[in-house]
Amino acid sequence: GQNIDQPTEMTATEGAIVQINCTYQTSGFNGLFWYQQHAGEAPTFLSYNVLDGLEEKGRFSSFLSRSKGYSYLLLKELQMKDSASYLCAVRDGDYKLSFGAGTTVTVRA
Amino acid sequence: IAGITQAPTSQILAAGRRMTLRCTQDMRHNAMYWYRQDLGLGLRLIHYSNTAGTTGKGEVPDGYSVSRANTDDFPLTLASAVPSQTSVYFCASSKAATGELFFGEGSRLTVL
Repeated sequence: GQNIDQPTEMTATEGAIVQINCTYQTSGFNGLFWYQQHAGEAPTFLSYNVLDGLEEKGRFSSFLSRSKGYSYLLLKELQMKDSASYLCAVRDGDYKLSFGAGTTVTVRA
Repeated sequence: IAGITQAPTSQILAAGRRMTLRCTQDMRHNAMYWYRQDLGLGLRLIHYSNTAGTTGKGEVPDGYSVSRANTDDFPLTLASAVPSQTSVYFCASSKAATGELFFGEGSRLTVL
């Protein structure tokens, strides 16, 4: 199985940058995903990394280091609507996707 | 609207009762999944199916069963509900076992 760790909560100011770290241990690796989940809603896909390096998609970027078992999600120019839970998920050698407990980001004015 | 439909949206159930959560997708995705989400524990995989006719156990399969008779439907059955199965259940699908997951809106189940 997987052991996926990410901080429980983070708070940042509107317009700022926040970095959410995720570390993992897995038997086999077939990609790392980041999802966003607003309270009471379903998770929605944000990003996918399977090779080392940075993937940029608008205000959101995701980084992966497979050798270190480490990823981060970078949220730039924070907006109030970015207040949500951010879920790190790892696909193992059997292609099952396991999720971390999630990081609740609160954006303050 | 294309996507994943779950039913019921919410249900209160007496312990010991049998319950089936329905999940249907119209995206012709091969893989489907059932997760439960509990506060502080995140999403945990219950069962999955990489293609019609096959199923597999996830992290927390005990007390649950699934079937995948066709591509579109993936029902989750609780044979005899217990209070610890109180949770929000999410069905998800992906085009292939390697793809991103698309989630249904969730089914909130309370077992008393």
